[in-house]
Amino acid sequence: NAGVTQTPKFRILKIGQSMTLQCTQDMNHNYMYWYRQDPGMGLKLIYYSVGAGITDKGEVPNGYNVSRSTTEDFPLRLELAAPSQTSVYFCASRSTGGAGKYNYEQYFGPGTRLTVT
Amino acid sequence: AQSVTQLDSHVSVSEGTPVLLRCNYSSSYSPSLFWYVQHPNKGLQLLLKYTSAATLVKGINGFEAEFKKSETSFHLTKPSAHMSDAAEYFCVVSEGNSGGYQKVTFGTGTKLQVIP
Repeated sequence: NAGVTQTPKFRILKIGQSMTLQCTQDMNHNYMYWYRQDPGMGLKLIYYSVGAGITDKGEVPNGYNVSRSTTEDFPLRLELAAPSQTSVYFCASRSTGGAGKYNYEQYFGPGTRLTVT
Repeated sequence: AQSVTQLDSHVSVSEGTPVLLRCNYSSSYSPSLFWYVQHPNKGLQLLLKYTSAATLVKGINGFEAEFKKSETSFHLTKPSAHMSDAAEYFCVVSEGNSGGYQKVTFGTGTKLQVIP
């Protein structure tokens, strides 16, 4: 298994440009997540999905959009890039584990380092 | 409300000496707790997890953590630090939310420096 893969690894955007960060997992996980990591802030949840066709906002969703048309893919869209979106973005996935099961670990991709200037 | 506090943003130890990374949590329910490690420019990797079985949890690379409900703590330890342990460590708490989904909160991380 390749696990969770993300593309691109690095990207520089100009203010106002748009882009899509790609995330794919081959573990048949229902849950998928997008986080951003800023120095000293830990990881903040942007959006998550509990299955194809179902997405919901996390802690910091403004300026981002997601879709989940397949189990494998969970792209993150930035429509009008702003300097505040300079960050490292991580995609993660996990198994469902059944009702009431919250003890399954997340599997992380290698990250996308985005700079907006 | 769910929260995680990592008490030290930086910890520096000499190679071969013990490591202690401190984590306190707050949770309304019986949470699951995790420690992840992130090496420079890499993704996060699971070190260990507590899931209401044994309170002393052993993980990879000689790390272990003890769940102490009375102290709401989940500190990470290792008897002897190795140079390859230099990384950033994240404590994570997970519980169900009102929608029946998993709510996950990350601590702000502790950077471990190992001095030769």
